[in-house]
Amino acid sequence: KAGVTQTPRYLIKTRGQQVTLSCSPISGHRSVSWYQQTPGQGLQFLFEYFSETQRNKGNFPGRFSGRQFSNSRSEMNVSTLELGDSALYLCASSFATSGIYNEQFFGPGTRLTVL
Amino acid sequence: DAKTTQPPSMDCAEGRAANLPCNHSTISGNEYVYWYRQIHSQGPQYIIHGLKNNETNEMASLIITEDRKSSTLILPHATLRDTAVYYCIVRVPIQGAQKLVFGQGTRLTINP
Repeated sequence: KAGVTQTPRYLIKTRGQQVTLSCSPISGHRSVSWYQQTPGQGLQFLFEYFSETQRNKGNFPGRFSGRQFSNSRSEMNVSTLELGDSALYLCASSFATSGIYNEQFFGPGTRLTVL
Repeated sequence: DAKTTQPPSMDCAEGRAANLPCNHSTISGNEYVYWYRQIHSQGPQYIIHGLKNNETNEMASLIITEDRKSSTLILPHATLRDTAVYYCIVRVPIQGAQKLVFGQGTRLTINP
């Protein structure tokens, strides 16, 4: 079974631009979560989507948004990029039908550099 | 979700057992203990989880104290490929609520 895939793997943008990152979950998984990882703040939860609905949101500004499609694929968008948005963005998927055994599987991440 | 405390770094010799401690003194009765690890430049990887009984799988063993205020992840025969940051997380596994709160974790270095 293929793992979680994220595209692109690397991205360079300039301040003020916007960016869209894509995540394809493991086949059959309906929950997709996004995380930001920086050296200073570590791994931080951005948001989670389940059956095309945002179920949970972390403490990030409105410039960070996401969506999920009917095939469970998800995208996240960051508008008006700032230097501090440079980070590794990780996507995780889970089956999310059994509460106890719904461990999350992470993708390799997209490394975003904002110049 | 309850807060966890882990040592920032640990060393272990290759072939020996690596024992990674985690304190979670404010854990509530319905919170599980999860362990993930992150090898450099990769996404975190699920290792194991448990509620109150000790658990073992092909990767590791999880020992949870009787009062559930602390736990230990055991890698029985550590290899160089086990060098990673290990995260201990406590949470209630609610369907459709998958937020993981990562602390700083323990940077485990396996030495040849």
